[in-house]
Amino acid sequence: QVQLVESGGGVGQPGRSLRLSCAASGFSFSDYAMNWVRQAPGKGLEWVAVVSHDGSNTHYGDSVKGRFTISRDNSKNTLYLQMNSLRAEDTAVYYCAKDSDYFGNYNFDSWGQGTLVIVSS
Amino acid sequence: DIQMTQSPSSLSASVGDRVTIACRASQNIRSYLNWYQQKPGKAPKFLINVASSLQSGVPSRFNGSGSGTDFTLTINSLQPEDFATYYCQQSSGTPPTFGQGTTVEIK
Repeated sequence: QVQLVESGGGVGQPGRSLRLSCAASGFSFSDYAMNWVRQAPGKGLEWVAVVSHDGSNTHYGDSVKGRFTISRDNSKNTLYLQMNSLRAEDTAVYYCAKDSDYFGNYNFDSWGQGTLVIVSS
Repeated sequence: DIQMTQSPSSLSASVGDRVTIACRASQNIRSYLNWYQQKPGKAPKFLINVASSLQSGVPSRFNGSGSGTDFTLTINSLQPEDFATYYCQQSSGTPPTFGQGTTVEIK
């Protein structure tokens, strides 16, 4: 079955960087778009970014545009989120979520367990 | 961006009750509406897409309806495992956006 395992979370200082990874298994990774969705403590869900099945197309939420970069390595079945210029408001659990389509139709049909990012000095 | 508004924000119900959660979009999203269930400390689970299509393995007591701007999630005969937070999400355009969530609590 589909398995998504995030890693790379932890404490990051404001203005610094972190890189999250999501290891995928149980499906043909290169056939599906992938997303990052985050959830601040005690809050709702916020979509962060999507990358198409081949990595050629990406889209970002306004709150992270210009600071975060989503990418993937299909040879390693791994999704990434490079987070630069961290802000306190980036503190959240970050989930990778499989899309149901090549290019991203925003049907998040499988989710990882999440990795917690805390931005604090 | 398309705004999604759920009501109520929380509700209390008993096992066996019928529960209805509303979701309203700020513009016409046709049937591009998904529902997710999230339990404390867990990832969301995909329940329903295109407003009314149950995902594989989701019990038939869950029912989604609506189109355009107004949508409803109904849980018939609430079970103990249904106590959770439910989110609607529009997949009509970028960025995809979620409602603020509705928490179903035990009365």
